[in-house]
Amino acid sequence: QVQLQESGPGLLKPSETLSLTCTVSSDFTNNYYWSWVRQPAGKGLEWLGRIYNSGNTNYNPSLKGRITMSVDTPNNQFSLKLRFLTAADSAVYFCARIGLADAFDVWGQGTMVTVSS
Amino acid sequence: QSALTQPASVSGSPGQSITISCTGASSDIGGYDFVSWYQQFPGEAPRVVIYNVSKRPLGVSNRFSGSKSGNTASLTISGLQAEDEGDYYCSSFTSTSTLYVFGSGTKVTVL
Repeated sequence: QVQLQESGPGLLKPSETLSLTCTVSSDFTNNYYWSWVRQPAGKGLEWLGRIYNSGNTNYNPSLKGRITMSVDTPNNQFSLKLRFLTAADSAVYFCARIGLADAFDVWGQGTMVTVSS
Repeated sequence: QSALTQPASVSGSPGQSITISCTGASSDIGGYDFVSWYQQFPGEAPRVVIYNVSKRPLGVSNRFSGSKSGNTASLTISGLQAEDEGDYYCSSFTSTSTLYVFGSGTKVTVL
């Protein structure tokens, strides 16, 4: 069973850039989309973006161009960069695989990110 | 504001059946069968319990079932058990540039 693990800093300041990496245990070279989803404390889930193994990306327009995703196939990883952080970006960030029928079928455990001065 | 509307809470006694609704639009639920449901416990990642409107992943109890009518999808939990208590989210692919939308979430309480 494929496993996902997020890594990255937990505390950043306003206006800084968040960089997170998701390491995939297996199946990374197969034909899947890989995604980031976030969840502010006590709130619901928000889809941020997806990337294919080829590097093709789609982003949530609500992020207004602040997001970039990339893949590192030799290391079975994909990454998220989110620029110009504000307190509203504080959340638990999950990486997830998009599987059959566009369902998020495998999730990482999540990593908490706090944006505070 | 979430794109898909769910009731904030639903409760039931052990053994009963409960149904959670998820209302969207013709651009998402009404237009595609790419509706999925997620179960989430405090401090944990979500877990898919239904995909493709009504399919169950391996390992998910057959007490969970899904359906769709028009722009509304539903998740039914039969034979409610204490272990079912948690938050449930629906999701759908959408033809808008957002691509994927989630529901506002429903807290299930077992009385």
